[in-house]
Amino acid sequence: DAKTTQPTSMDCAEGRAANLPCNHSTISGNEYVYWYRQIHSQGPQYIIHGLKNNETNEMASLIITEDRKSSTLILPHATLRDTAVYYCIVRSTTSGTYKYIFGTGTRLKVLA
Amino acid sequence: DGGITQSPKYLFRKEGQNVTLSCEQNLNHDAMYWYRQDPGQGLRLIYYSQIVNDFQKGDIAEGYSVSREKKESFPLTVTSAQKNPTAFYLCASSSGTSGGVAQYFGPGTRLTVL
Repeated sequence: DAKTTQPTSMDCAEGRAANLPCNHSTISGNEYVYWYRQIHSQGPQYIIHGLKNNETNEMASLIITEDRKSSTLILPHATLRDTAVYYCIVRSTTSGTYKYIFGTGTRLKVLA
Repeated sequence: DGGITQSPKYLFRKEGQNVTLSCEQNLNHDAMYWYRQDPGQGLRLIYYSQIVNDFQKGDIAEGYSVSREKKESFPLTVTSAQKNPTAFYLCASSSGTSGGVAQYFGPGTRLTVL
């Protein structure tokens, strides 16, 4: 499974867009990019995932570069409740392993 | 109200005792998973089950056991053989196991072994 690299921490002003980058330069053609977030002492919350195309849902947008080597999660109007650790995960569909490989994620702090 | 429930939220046990963590889902998902999280780290897979009566070891299965007798239930037993059992345990489920199917997590159980 491909490895992901994320910044350790980021700050964002409340009401502004939060752009969280993720590098996955070794991603294979059949590997999806997933984003989860975890608020302290809670289970990870699914946000969004994609393969090649950009994706949007009620929580966020996922922008995947054309070469698929990096992606950006966009929270369009960050609120204080978006303060959490955000995990970018690459998951293969054919590796035979049915797991997510979590890194240490990006700690996003939304500032009032 | 569909979802994954884990109980209890906090669990304390004495060293050398086995303990069983509960995980129930009413999402009609076929696949279920157990992860362990240690402070400041990501999640590591303990066991997973793709269908009833079948389960596979993950990366850190030593000292743990599971069963999958019912589709909605996937209990995890932490045995006395687990060298460092104090951790945050997370259960997850998914409707399938292909790459484009998301896993959904429960609220977790924090186990402290005294």
